[in-house]
Amino acid sequence: DGGITQSPKYLFRKEGQNVTLSCEQNLNHDAMYWYRQDPGQGLRLIYYSQIVNDFQKGDIAEGYSVSREKKESFPLTVTSAQKNPTAFYLCASSTQYGNTEAFFGQGTRLTVV
Amino acid sequence: EDQVTQSPEALRLQEGESSSLNCSYTVSGLRGLFWYRQDPGKGPEFLFTLYSAGEEKEKERLKATLTKKESFLHITAPKPEDSATYLCAVLGSGGSNYKLTFGKGTLLTVNP
Repeated sequence: DGGITQSPKYLFRKEGQNVTLSCEQNLNHDAMYWYRQDPGQGLRLIYYSQIVNDFQKGDIAEGYSVSREKKESFPLTVTSAQKNPTAFYLCASSTQYGNTEAFFGQGTRLTVV
Repeated sequence: EDQVTQSPEALRLQEGESSSLNCSYTVSGLRGLFWYRQDPGKGPEFLFTLYSAGEEKEKERLKATLTKKESFLHITAPKPEDSATYLCAVLGSGGSNYKLTFGKGTLLTVNP
């Protein structure tokens, strides 16, 4: 089945640690995105990638980093510089950037312990 | 700056009681308006894309409409399985970048 796979579903991080969230898609989409969802707020864009080997900062990129070495993969690293990392993280993809609807993975819930 | 406001924040209906959810927006250069359904602890599930005022889309008990300032998601004779948070998003093309802006969602609860 085609879709977007995020792993792990739940992740716990200690203070000062970096963690990496995985996002893989087999939809052959060019564009991929990372969003953060907090209670009572709309989804906020962290990073996006229009094509392989290219990515751009979104609205809340501080404390996060990404890479796009393969078309199907767009991992997100939450660094120790992110002051409030506890949130629900969503990865999405679309056929082209800025042109069509985005499809989402099932999310990763990150908790700082 | 693009803005999306969804109302009401929460809506409770009895099974079979039809109603509508509202999505008001301001956007520079609308390229599309999207409706998603999100169940607790899950990622948003795509429902509809609307591109221009007057357009309508239907899927089972759901019907989405679009004007120049707002979109409605009409739910006809809802069932308990329609309970979810419904998200609205607009894709604008202001400036040099395309930007997808989400509303905060409407939490719909349908009681049997």
